[in-house]
Amino acid sequence: DTAVSQTPKYLVTQMGNDKSIKCEQNLGHDTMYWYKQDSKKFLKIMFSYNNKELIINETVPNRFSPKSPDKAHLNLHINSLELGDSAVYFCASSQDPTAEQYFGPGTRLTVT
Amino acid sequence: SQQGEEDPQALSIQEGENATMNCSYKTSINNLQWYRQNSGRGLVHLILIRSNEREKHSGRLRVTLDTSKKSSSLLITASRAADTASYFCATETGANNLFFGTGTRLTVIP
Repeated sequence: DTAVSQTPKYLVTQMGNDKSIKCEQNLGHDTMYWYKQDSKKFLKIMFSYNNKELIINETVPNRFSPKSPDKAHLNLHINSLELGDSAVYFCASSQDPTAEQYFGPGTRLTVT
Repeated sequence: SQQGEEDPQALSIQEGENATMNCSYKTSINNLQWYRQNSGRGLVHLILIRSNEREKHSGRLRVTLDTSKKSSSLLITASRAADTASYFCATETGANNLFFGTGTRLTVIP
């Protein structure tokens, strides 16, 4: 069974659209994350969600909003997509914020 | 920024040789972790070393940590073609997330 899964794996959309990426973990972890990896492979934390506490990287535009319907899910919603949003987005989870993280396979978002 | 920096950015070695990657960071940490990323895949956790530890082994991996120099190294012994990947260090500082370095791209030539 996949520990951390993301859907879709690929997402191609036009500028201005709104899209969501879903993430689910079946590890029973308490903490989940969203990362953005750009073309230079730099991995940047966007959000972490631990025990209903959302910590936002303040450099992330407010067009990005995480939504957690329950502890096993942390979805990423993006409004008014821009060309610069093109990247690979990774979801991850961990038992707590200090522990090793388990990553999903990534979602490659291409905005045209 | 707490972001770590890996050195070198890219490393190419022959199969069977050892590969050493270094990571430097800026502020105090609780632990430091190393991850591997194969092309087009998510990151995979390799090893975690706590701030009060100096060395840790896992199979062919050896990690050292020098908190006085704010640096860590990852040694892969007897490398294999399958070790070809990008390797990232990540620091845990109590800020509820990890800060990842810029990565080292390792190529092992068969």
